[in-house]
Amino acid sequence: GENVEQHPSTLSVQEGDSAVIKCTYSDSASNYFPWYKQELGKRPQLIIDIRSNVGEKKDQRIAVTLNKTAKHFSLHITETQPEDSAVYFCAALSYTGGFKTIFGAGTRLFVKA
Amino acid sequence: NAGVTQTPKFRVLKTGQSMTLLCAQDMNHEYMYWYRQDPGMGLRLIHYSVGEGTTAKGEVPDGYNVSRLKKQNFLLGLESAAPSQTSVYFCASSYIREDTQYFGPGTRLTVL
Repeated sequence: GENVEQHPSTLSVQEGDSAVIKCTYSDSASNYFPWYKQELGKRPQLIIDIRSNVGEKKDQRIAVTLNKTAKHFSLHITETQPEDSAVYFCAALSYTGGFKTIFGAGTRLFVKA
Repeated sequence: NAGVTQTPKFRVLKTGQSMTLLCAQDMNHEYMYWYRQDPGMGLRLIHYSVGEGTTAKGEVPDGYNVSRLKKQNFLLGLESAAPSQTSVYFCASSYIREDTQYFGPGTRLTVL
């Protein structure tokens, strides 16, 4: 079946450093790619998304890049802060032959003060 | 606005028992979704709905049924609970399909 691979599973950075999380998807019909942040015991919340007709999107300290040819998209967080510590999930959605939404397994980010 | 709400927050069932999880949204969203979240596996789509009166299967539909009789409500039923259904269940909704999904607070279900 279709899948999304997410790396790394755990990432530890110093406050102020950058963090990069990468996802690779298999369904070539995927055309919407959201990123969610989930704090311990809380609900997932969208932090940024990108559509297949766009290569890059930025929102303050957060950016996402998409390479459709390689079926690869990445989350970039700059100037990390302790409150960025959480689990981050990528997802790939497609609507061809029925709706599919496949999530990556998650990356646990630790930002050390 | 309350956003997306779920009831109950916690539940413990014995194998073979049944229950219904309720999801409600007050944002007039067309699309609603049920996911389960297991450790190390991200979220997996169980069923979804593209509007009132419609339902469709997601990635892991076996053992679950759903209904969307009213636009604002999406119910998830377990007819005969199994230990493999122990999980955290999240409901979500979105205005259109390629749009932000807003998640509820989750229901932690344990099946003994």
